Parts: sequence; C-alpha cells; structure tokens
Amino acid sequence: DVKVTQSSRYLVKRTGEKVFLECVQDMDHENMFWYRQDPGLGLRLIYFSYDVKMKEKGDIPEGYSVSREKKERFSLILESASTNQTSMYLCASNFKGLAFFGQGTRLTVV
Amino acid sequence: GESVGLHLPTLSVQEGDNSIINCAYSNSASDYFIWYKQESGKGPQFIIDIRSNMDKRQGQRVTVLLNKTVKHLSLQIAATQPGDSAVYFCAENMESWGKLQFGAGTQVVVTP
Repeated sequence: DVKVTQSSRYLVKRTGEKVFLECVQDMDHENMFWYRQDPGLGLRLIYFSYDVKMKEKGDIPEGYSVSREKKERFSLILESASTNQTSMYLCASNFKGLAFFGQGTRLTVV
Repeated sequence: GESVGLHLPTLSVQEGDNSIINCAYSNSASDYFIWYKQESGKGPQFIIDIRSNMDKRQGQRVTVLLNKTVKHLSLQIAATQPGDSAVYFCAENMESWGKLQFGAGTQVVVTP
C-alpha cells in the first residue's frame, strides 16, 4: 500500500513563528502536493512539485514556501505564521492522476 | 457574496438503504475522475475511480456512474453501513501530470 506520512497530527504555534510541515511518501512518486482544507472552501492547492528541487505555485501560495530536496520528502514552510493560516494541511503524492493523502496536520496559530 | 463556513450538503441515509451522492464537474476535457471518503480528523481515502472512456465502474458495494454529456458523476453505495458516515468528494483530473480539482463534498450521515 502507498503510504504518505505527515510528521505531526496536531500543532499549535505562535504568531510569527516559522513552521515546518513535513511529508514523506514511500512509493517513489514524482508528483507531490500540499493542500489546505477549510470548512466551506474545500481543498485548495498551495504548492506542488513534479521532481526533486522543482516547485510550482498552486492557487494560494502566499505566506508559504516549499522544499523538495529528496524525492520522497516534500516540506511546507510557513515563513511567519499568522492566525489566518490555522487550518487542516494535507499532503499528497500523485501517480498518473491518482492522489494518495497523508493523515493531515491540524495547525492552530495563536 | 459567499459566506465563509458554509455547511456541506448533507445526505441522511438509513442503515441498510442505498446512498447516491452526486457531483457536477467543470471541465469537459477532464479524462479521469476519483471519489474520496474523508472521515472526521483524517485524510481523504481513495474509494473508486473512472476514466472518461467508461460510463460505469463497480467496486465492492460502490458504483460510480459518469455522464459526460451533462458533466455529472455519481457514487452509489449499496447497503449503507454506520462506517460509511463521512464526507465524500469527487475529483477531476484536469492536466496530464495529475493536478486534481476537488468538489466541495457531501456529508453522509447514516442513521440506525
């Protein structure tokens, strides 16, 4: 089975902190994605990567950056966390269009 | 304007009945469609998929129907069980390398 693992289930951070969300997949997929999920807004794409060291902005990249140094790992970085970044963050890897999701990280910024 | 925090459409189903969840997709060029199930506090899980060269695909207790004429997708769950309570949403593949567009989702509540 494909496994996508996010480093934390729950995080509480303070406004202004730099936050790292880590994601690892074990299926050698080239494409990886970061989404945030908010009530009434569904899944929104933040950033994606189709190869090591490659990254592309999604629909809502502002306030975020990403890092893909190794194929299996895709990190989402909140440079200076703000309360409006409180959300559920979902990482996915994708093979031929089928996305496999991690369990999600519920981030609260206080 | 649209308000933040809209409630999801809810489908209330009695245990043992069949469920039908509907989804309208946006891009007539989409060629791959997926249904996901998301339980509270968890990540979405793959249920079933269908390519645009098919109209129907069956899995275990689930069937997906695709109507390309009206850009409509449905998920049928047979003999709905309490464990089927979750949010279900559809996704369409809009580009060849796999960028998915997700629907807003439907909350399914199974009552005894």
